[in-house]
Amino acid sequence: GENVEQHPSTLSVQEGDSAVIKCTYSDSASNYFPWYKQELGKRPQLIIDIRSNVGEKKDQRIAVTLNKTAKHFSLHITETQPEDSAVYFCAASPGGYQKVTFGIGTKLQVIP
Amino acid sequence: DVKVTQSSRYLVKRTGEKVFLECVQDMDHENMFWYRQDPGLGLRLIYFSYDVKMKEKGDIPEGYSVSREKKERFSLILESASTNQTSMYLCASTVGRNEQFFGPGTRLTVL
Repeated sequence: GENVEQHPSTLSVQEGDSAVIKCTYSDSASNYFPWYKQELGKRPQLIIDIRSNVGEKKDQRIAVTLNKTAKHFSLHITETQPEDSAVYFCAASPGGYQKVTFGIGTKLQVIP
Repeated sequence: DVKVTQSSRYLVKRTGEKVFLECVQDMDHENMFWYRQDPGLGLRLIYFSYDVKMKEKGDIPEGYSVSREKKERFSLILESASTNQTSMYLCASTVGRNEQFFGPGTRLTVL
C-alpha cells in the first residue's frame, strides 16, 4: 500500500518568514496530493491540492510543488502570519475508491 | 455548505463495552471514511465505504467494524472497547476524487 512520509514533525518560524513542509510517497500510481490544515481543536480542512499532471500550484501565500520522478511534494507558505499556526497534513491518493493516505503531520508555529 | 456531524464530541466508556460512533453527512456523498488521530501518528484510516452496504478495510481495521445502511450515515463499532482504542475519531465524506469533508471528531476515552 501507499506510504507517505512527512517532515519536519515540528517547525517554528518568525512571522513574515517562509515555511516549507516536505512529503514523499511510495506508490507511483498516486496522482492526487491534497494538503490539509488543522487548527487547534478543529477539524482538518483542505487548503490546496495538486494532481499529477501539474508541477506547481499557487493560491495566494500558499504553493505546492510536485516531483513525480522523485516521488515528493512540498508545501510552501510565504509571509507567514500567526494564524498560519496549525498542524498541516500532506496526503496521497491513487484514485479509484479514493483511499487517501496521510502523513503524520507537521506542527507549524509562527512566532510573532 | 457541506455538513458532516458526529454523534458525540466526547465519550467515556469502560473496557469491554460495545461502542457505537455515528457519522452523518448531508451532501449525498458516495464515499465515507473513519480515521483515528493520535499524536505523532497522524490520521490513520480504519474503514471506508464507497456505497451503501459496501465497506473496505483501511490500514488499521483490527478491533473495529462498520455499518452503512443508508447513504448519509456511516457507523463505527468497537465490539469490545480496549484502552488502546482511546483516541480521537474523525469521520469524513467525499464525492469522487476530491476534497474530504471532516466531522468535528469524537474524543473517546476507554477506562
